[in-house]
Amino acid sequence: GAVVSQHPSWVICKSGTSVKIECRSLDFQATTMFWYRQFPKQSLMLMATSNEGSKATYEQGVEKDKFLINHASLTLSTLTVTSAHPEDSSFYICSARTYGLLTQYFGPGTRLTVL
Amino acid sequence: RKEVEQDPGPFNVPEGATVAFNCTYSNSASQSFFWYRQDCRKEPKLLMSVYSSGNEDGRFTAQLNRASQYISLLIRDSKLSDSATYLCVVNMRGRDDKIIFGKGTRLHILP
Repeated sequence: GAVVSQHPSWVICKSGTSVKIECRSLDFQATTMFWYRQFPKQSLMLMATSNEGSKATYEQGVEKDKFLINHASLTLSTLTVTSAHPEDSSFYICSARTYGLLTQYFGPGTRLTVL
Repeated sequence: RKEVEQDPGPFNVPEGATVAFNCTYSNSASQSFFWYRQDCRKEPKLLMSVYSSGNEDGRFTAQLNRASQYISLLIRDSKLSDSATYLCVVNMRGRDDKIIFGKGTRLHILP
């Protein structure tokens, strides 16, 4: 099956710093990428959807200036958590799919801890 | 009514038993349906798509009932390795292409 990687797999940072998470599709062109957040024992919450070369579409309640998404190529999307705070600590997961197909393939996730 | 609803469980089932989960969805415009499994502290992995005619993959059978707006997953001869959270996923195509995840059903297979 299709492979999606994420980097880093985990990160610890101080409050107020910014953290960038990369999501890459390794063997297919990801025309659409999704960013999710999952708190412990909660379901996946979609944060934003990004199509290559376009601005991301954010879900209600997600601050676009705080969670910067860039999808500049067909194999890479980045999520930058700006001025991170402890309440941003979560498991961030990206997924990708290619044009015309509905199946999403998930990255392994990035566990962010903000101290 | 929630867009996608699942019984959170946990379902505690002895090894070798058959277990079934249901998932209901509220939007009749929903077009595509999937079951994913998620292991603890891991990303979701696609288990199977759900087709209108029903489909089977080994010990797993998925069915769709559009009239009643629910999908089901049946696991036969359950294994210890089937212990996971099973996520129901509904995709609505249209002007806003929305993918909705259920909260998941936790399954524990007991030895």
